[in-house]
Order: sequence, then C-alpha cells, then structure tokens
Amino acid sequence: DVKVTQSSRYLVKRTGEKVFLECVQDMDHENMFWYRQDPGLGLRLIYFSYDVKMKEKGDIPEGYSVSREKKERFSLILESASTNQTSMYLCASSPGRPQETQYFGPGTRLLVL
Amino acid sequence: EDQVTQSPEALRLQEGESSSLNCSYTVSGLRGLFWYRQDPGKGPEFLFTLYSAGEEKEKERLKATLTKKESFLHITAPKPEDSATYLCAVSGGTSYGKLTFGQGTILTVHP
Repeated sequence: DVKVTQSSRYLVKRTGEKVFLECVQDMDHENMFWYRQDPGLGLRLIYFSYDVKMKEKGDIPEGYSVSREKKERFSLILESASTNQTSMYLCASSPGRPQETQYFGPGTRLLVL
Repeated sequence: EDQVTQSPEALRLQEGESSSLNCSYTVSGLRGLFWYRQDPGKGPEFLFTLYSAGEEKEKERLKATLTKKESFLHITAPKPEDSATYLCAVSGGTSYGKLTFGQGTILTVHP
C-alpha cells in the first residue's frame, strides 16, 4: 500500500513565524504535490514537483516555498505565516508517467494566530 | 481550462436507499477521471481511476462509470459508514500530472 505521511496532524503558530510542513512517501513516486483545502474553496494546488530539486508553481504559490532535496521528501515552507494561511494542508504523491493517480497523506491542520 | 462540476452538493439518504453522484467535466483530451472519498479532518482516500468512456469499476457498494462528458458514482444499499465527502478529479490536456478537482458531494446516510 502507498503510504504518505505528514509531520504533524495539528499545528498552532504565531503570525510572522516561519513554518515547515514535511511530507514523506515510501513508494518511490516521482511526483509530489502540496494542496490547501478550505471550506467552499475545495482543493487548491500550491506547488508540485516532478523530480528531485525540481519545483513548479501551482495555482496559489504566493507566501509559500517548497524544497525537495530527496525523492521521498517534499517540504512546504511558509516564510512568514499569516492568519489567512490557516487551513488544512494536504500532501500527495503519484508514481509518474503514465500513472497520474495521486495518493494523499492524512493532512495537517494549521492554525495561525 | 479544465472544469469539474459535482452534483448534488449534498445528498441525504436512508440506509439501503441507492442513489448516484454526478461528476460533469470539461477537459481537452481526458487522460483519467479519479474518484476519492474524504472523511472529516482526513486526507482523501483513492477509490477509482477511469480512463475511457464505457469503463466501469466496482468496490463493495460503489460503482463508478464514465461517459464522454460525465461520470457517475453509484451507491447501492448504502450504510451509515458510507457517509463522507466524495471528490471527483480529472487529468488531461498539457498539464501532465496535475489534477483538477470538483467541489465534492457530501453524502450522509441515516440509519
């Protein structure tokens, strides 16, 4: 079974803090993704990566950055957390061409005060 | 631009009352249509991938079908534990690897 794990289930941070969310997959998948999910807005893609050290912007990259130093690990960084970044953050991975099915982690619920 | 519309937004059923969820899509060159189940406070759980019109897949009480414009998720004799949000997504066009998600259908099954 594919396993995607996220470093924290719940996180509380202060405005202006630098926040790291980590995601690890154990199936040697090529592609990894970060989404945020908010009521009424659905799933929105923040960043994704097709390969180690590669990253591409999704639909809402502002205020975020990512790092992928190893194939199995994809980190999302909030450079200076703001209250409008309070959300559920979901990491996903997919095997690579031609397989596009994404497998999700359990999510991190982030509260920025 | 790829678009996915799910209906209804919410569906309430009695246990044993079969029904269907709809996913209408617009995409240039569909490569795959995906169904997920999401429980409150958790990540989406993969259910099915459909690749071409006419394809069907089943898992327990769930059956997914695909036409050239939409997909249906049929739920036969649902149980309370089937209560969840069901998400539909598509891949296609030039955006390899990226999925476009619908807003989901919230299913509640009453005992």
